Amino acid sequence: TQLLEQSPQFLSIQEGENLTVYCNSSSVFSSLQWYRQEPGEGPVLLVTVVTGGEVKKLKRLTFQFGDARKDSSLHITAAQPGDTGLYLCAGAWSGGSNYKLTFGKGTLLTVNP
Amino acid sequence: DTGVSQDPRHKITKRGQNVTFRCDPISEHNRLYWYRQTLGQGPEFLTYFQNEAQLEKSRLLSDRFSAERPKGSFSTLEIQRTEQGDSAMYLCASSLGASIDGYTFGSGTRLTVV
Repeated sequence: TQLLEQSPQFLSIQEGENLTVYCNSSSVFSSLQWYRQEPGEGPVLLVTVVTGGEVKKLKRLTFQFGDARKDSSLHITAAQPGDTGLYLCAGAWSGGSNYKLTFGKGTLLTVNP
Repeated sequence: DTGVSQDPRHKITKRGQNVTFRCDPISEHNRLYWYRQTLGQGPEFLTYFQNEAQLEKSRLLSDRFSAERPKGSFSTLEIQRTEQGDSAMYLCASSLGASIDGYTFGSGTRLTVV
C-alpha cells in the first residue's frame, strides 16, 4: 500500500507568522497536487506540480516539489485568518493510474487574529 | 458553468435504509470520480467513469454500493442496507483529459447513518 504522510497534523499560529507543511512518500509521484478544504465543503485545488524541483507561487503560497518527486512542501508567508483550513496533498503514483488520487490525512491550519 | 454539483448536501438515514446521491459534473468533463472522506482522513478513491463506462472500482466499494453514469453525464451512487460505518462525506469530482490536472470536486454529500 502506497502511503502519503503529511506533517504536522495540526498547526495553530498567529496572524502574520510564516509556516511550512510537508508531504512525504517512499514512492515516486508522477504528479502531485495541493488542495485546501473548508469544513463541510469539497477540496479546492491550489496547484499541480509535475517536474522534480519545480517551485510554484500563488500569492503568499509557495509550493515545492522534491527533486526525486517523493516529497513536497507548502510555505505560507504572513498567514492570515482566511488561510485557515485543511491543507491536503494528493498524488498520482508513477507507474500507476494517472487519474486516481491518493490523499494524505491533511494539515489542519488555524490562523488566529 | 457552476462547477460540480452534488445533491443532497446532507442526508440522515436509519441503519438498513437505502440512499442515493447524485453528481452533476462540469458539462465538458468526460471523467467522473467518487471519493469518500471520513473524519480526520483525506478522501479515498471509490470509483471512476470515463463517459458512461465504469473503468475502476476500489475494494472499498462493497457489494452494497453501486454507481452509474447512464448517459455519460450525471452519476448516481447508491448505498443499500446502510450501516453506521457508511457515515462519511461522499465527494464527486470530474476532469477532462488523461491526468489529475483539472480535477474539480463538488461540495460533497454528508451522510449520517443513525
